[in-house]
Amino acid sequence: QVQLVQSGAEVKKPGASVKVSCKASGYTFTSYGISWVRQAPGQGLEWMGWISAYNGNTNYAQKLQGRVTMTTDTSTSTAYMELRSLRSDDTAVYYCARDNRHENWFDPWGQGTLVTVSS
Amino acid sequence: QSALTQPASVSGSPGQSITISCTGTSSDVGGYNYVSWYQQHPGKAPKLMIYEVSNRPSGVPDRFSGSKSGNTASLTISGLQAEDEADYYCSSYTSSSTDVFGTGTKVTVL
Repeated sequence: QVQLVQSGAEVKKPGASVKVSCKASGYTFTSYGISWVRQAPGQGLEWMGWISAYNGNTNYAQKLQGRVTMTTDTSTSTAYMELRSLRSDDTAVYYCARDNRHENWFDPWGQGTLVTVSS
Repeated sequence: QSALTQPASVSGSPGQSITISCTGTSSDVGGYNYVSWYQQHPGKAPKLMIYEVSNRPSGVPDRFSGSKSGNTASLTISGLQAEDEADYYCSSYTSSSTDVFGTGTKVTVL
């Protein structure tokens, strides 16, 4: 079955960086993209950006431009999201999701990775 | 890009129908037939319920339906069931080639 499995929870200090991984299985990795979405505690979903697993093209949310980098490793069917210069308001659950750009949907989603930013 | 506007909460009794609205602009909801809906139970990852305004993925009950008029999309749940109690989010493609989510709606089954 199609599945995305993310790396474990992280605790970081303000100003540090975090890199979350998302390993895909059950489908042809390069036939879809991966979007990253985050959810702060008790808040709604926020789209962070997208990467094509086919050619590595990316598109990031404007508010995160310059702080976020999304990459893929097609040899291991794994996507990565790195966020730099962490602030307390980056504390959130980070999700990856398979992204079909042609029909514009996200399915399935990974289980989520809690990133806590605290001094 | 501002979040799409959804009502904070909607409630209904078992068996009733409810509708959740999702209002955007001509640069997102109104400009494209790329509206999708997601269901999220507490502590769980979101689940795709509707894509391209009104299409249902396999496995999603036909009690769930979607539509759009102008800059507002809607999700209707007919024959409301206890397991439908969850948070629901809309999402739309935008003219910036990005995506934007709605503010989210908590559905309560009375």
